[in-house]
Amino acid sequence: GQQLNQSPQSMFIQEGEDVSMNCTSSSIFNTWLWYKQDPGEGPVLLIALYKAGELTSNGRLTAQFGITRKDSFLNISASIPSDVGIYFCAGRTGANSKLTFGKGITLSVRP
Amino acid sequence: EAGVTQSPTHLIKTRGQQATLRCSPISGHTSVYWYQQALGLGLQFLLWYDEGEERNRGNFPPRFSGRQFPNYSSELNVNALELEDSALYLCASSHRGLVNEKLFFGSGTQLSVL
Repeated sequence: GQQLNQSPQSMFIQEGEDVSMNCTSSSIFNTWLWYKQDPGEGPVLLIALYKAGELTSNGRLTAQFGITRKDSFLNISASIPSDVGIYFCAGRTGANSKLTFGKGITLSVRP
Repeated sequence: EAGVTQSPTHLIKTRGQQATLRCSPISGHTSVYWYQQALGLGLQFLLWYDEGEERNRGNFPPRFSGRQFPNYSSELNVNALELEDSALYLCASSHRGLVNEKLFFGSGTQLSVL
């Protein structure tokens, strides 16, 4: 099916450290999106990817669209306390397909 | 420019009642999506409306329904509420037809069923 796998469920890092998250699927996707959700808020779009192999940055965030089109990666460099939140990957398999979300990774940053 | 707005922010109902949640998309967006976010389950796709028509539906029972109005705002109705319907209901909008379509979310309605 179109399930997206994100693991681990939680990550704990020290302020200033870099962190990597990945999102995998058995299905091929043609769009990958990464969202961050703060408590009590809706998810906010961080980065969007549309081509296999594409590497896109947004400040300290960098995301890549995997060559196989079955995975994507998000890297956060030099983490800060406000990076705390839930990070979701989302993907679409076709132009008229729904956007499927992973279960998210909860990131904690220790000062 | 206003973002996606949802109302109410919180809703408390008892089992068996009906709930109506509302969503106003970003100006110019024609598509509205509804997702359910229950604890530990991530975002589960509920419904997708575009240009007033239902385009896709997730694996939810028929008591979850909705509609999209001519101004592209949308309602989600949940009938015969059950305890497990307690969740954050998120609405998102997008500008359909763009190759690089992106979804923008509202802050959600927290539904509690007692």
